[in-house]
Amino acid sequence: DSGVTQTPKHLITATGQRVTLRCSPRSGDLSVYWYQQSLDQGLQFLIQYYNGEERAKGNILERFSAQQFPDLHSELNLSSLELGDSALYFCASSPHPSRGGETQYFGPGTRLLVL
Amino acid sequence: EDKVVQSPLSLVVHEGDTVTLNCSYEVTNFRSLLWYKQEKKAPTFLFMLTSSGIEKKSGRLSSILDKKELFSILNITATQTGDSAIYLCAVDQGGSEKLVFGKGTKLTVNP
Repeated sequence: DSGVTQTPKHLITATGQRVTLRCSPRSGDLSVYWYQQSLDQGLQFLIQYYNGEERAKGNILERFSAQQFPDLHSELNLSSLELGDSALYFCASSPHPSRGGETQYFGPGTRLLVL
Repeated sequence: EDKVVQSPLSLVVHEGDTVTLNCSYEVTNFRSLLWYKQEKKAPTFLFMLTSSGIEKKSGRLSSILDKKELFSILNITATQTGDSAIYLCAVDQGGSEKLVFGKGTKLTVNP
C-alpha cells in the first residue's frame, strides 16, 4: 500500500458524460501527478500540481482538467467523454522537494469504461 | 519527440529461466531512468539509475544503465511465477518532473 488513495476504483459511464476522479496523496506529499494508461498508449503523464498550483503539463486533452485543493487532494475532471477515454487513470504523489521519479508513489488507479 | 522504447513487448518463460528486458530512450534533459513492476494495479518502484555502468541490485533483480548508448537493461535470474508482471521503464526529465514511460514488457513465468 503506497498511501495514495483513489476513488472510485471503477467507473462506467456513457459517451458525452462528465466524471470526476479523486486522489488523496500520501501524508506530507505536496505534489500530485495524474497519468493515463491505455492498452495502445501505455502510461502517459497528464498533469502535475504542487501545493495547489499547476506545475507541469503533459498530453492532457482540453476536455480534461484538474485541480489540487488546499487539503492537497486532487481531482481530475473528464468531460464530453469518448470511447477512447476508457483507460486506467493513476494518481501519484511525491514529497517536496521532489528528488525525481523514485519518490513518486502511485495510487491503485481508477478504471474508467466509456460505453 | 521524447520517447522510451521497451523490448520485447511480451515474454513467456519457465520458472528458473533468466530474462533480460531492454529499454532505450531519447529524451531531453535526462535526469534518471526508473524501472517499475506493475502486477494488478499500481506500478511499484524497483530501481532508479542515474550513472552509467553502476549496477543496481535487489535480490534476483538487477539493472544497469548505459548513458552513452542511451539504454538500460533489467535482468531477472531464477525467475519465479511471482515475477509475472508488466515491467515499465520510465525516464525522469530534470526540470519538468514528469516521467516518460515506455509501453512495458509483459513477462509471464510459467511453472
